[in-house]
Amino acid sequence: GAVVSQHPSRVICKSGTSVKIECRSLDFQATTMFWYRQFPKKSLMLMATSNEGSKATYEQGVEKDKFLINHASLTLSTLTVTSAHPEDSSFYICSACGGLAYEQYFGPGTRLTVT
Amino acid sequence: GESVGLHLPTLSVQEGDNSIINCAYSNSASDYFIWYKQESGKGPQFIIDIRSNMDKRQGQRVTVLLNKTVKHLSLQIAATQPGDSAVYFCAENIGYGQNFVFGPGTRLSVLP
Repeated sequence: GAVVSQHPSRVICKSGTSVKIECRSLDFQATTMFWYRQFPKKSLMLMATSNEGSKATYEQGVEKDKFLINHASLTLSTLTVTSAHPEDSSFYICSACGGLAYEQYFGPGTRLTVT
Repeated sequence: GESVGLHLPTLSVQEGDNSIINCAYSNSASDYFIWYKQESGKGPQFIIDIRSNMDKRQGQRVTVLLNKTVKHLSLQIAATQPGDSAVYFCAENIGYGQNFVFGPGTRLSVLP
């Protein structure tokens, strides 16, 4: 199946700094990518939908200035957590949708810990 | 047994037994469903999918049943193995290019 990678897999940062998470589709072109957030023992919650070359669409309650999303190419979307705070600590997962496939393919996730 | 409360619902089964994980979905317009398996610290892994024009689909050791009348989905795992221990999510989708809406998840624990 299609492969989606995320980098880094794990990051620890200090409060107030910004962190960039990359999501790449390795063997297909992703016209749409999704960013999810998952708290411990909880389900995945959609944060935003990212279409290549256009602005991301954010879900209600997600601060677009806090979580900057860029989808500059058909194989790369980035999520930047700006001025991170401990409450931003979470597991961030991206998924990519592309081609003729109906399915989405999920990345392995990025564990963010803000100290 | 199965428990529901503040924590993730848990299903405990003996190794070798069959497991049935249930999911109620929310949107009657959803026309595509996937079951995902998520192991600790990893992203969701595709198990099996089903479209709304079907009511049953079988894979290797897994079967998904769809009841659109009551908006219910189930995942059956035959001869459950220790490696099946994980959290299982159902996800619904209303169309190509749309996001998936995930269910709350069920933790499957396989007892030796």
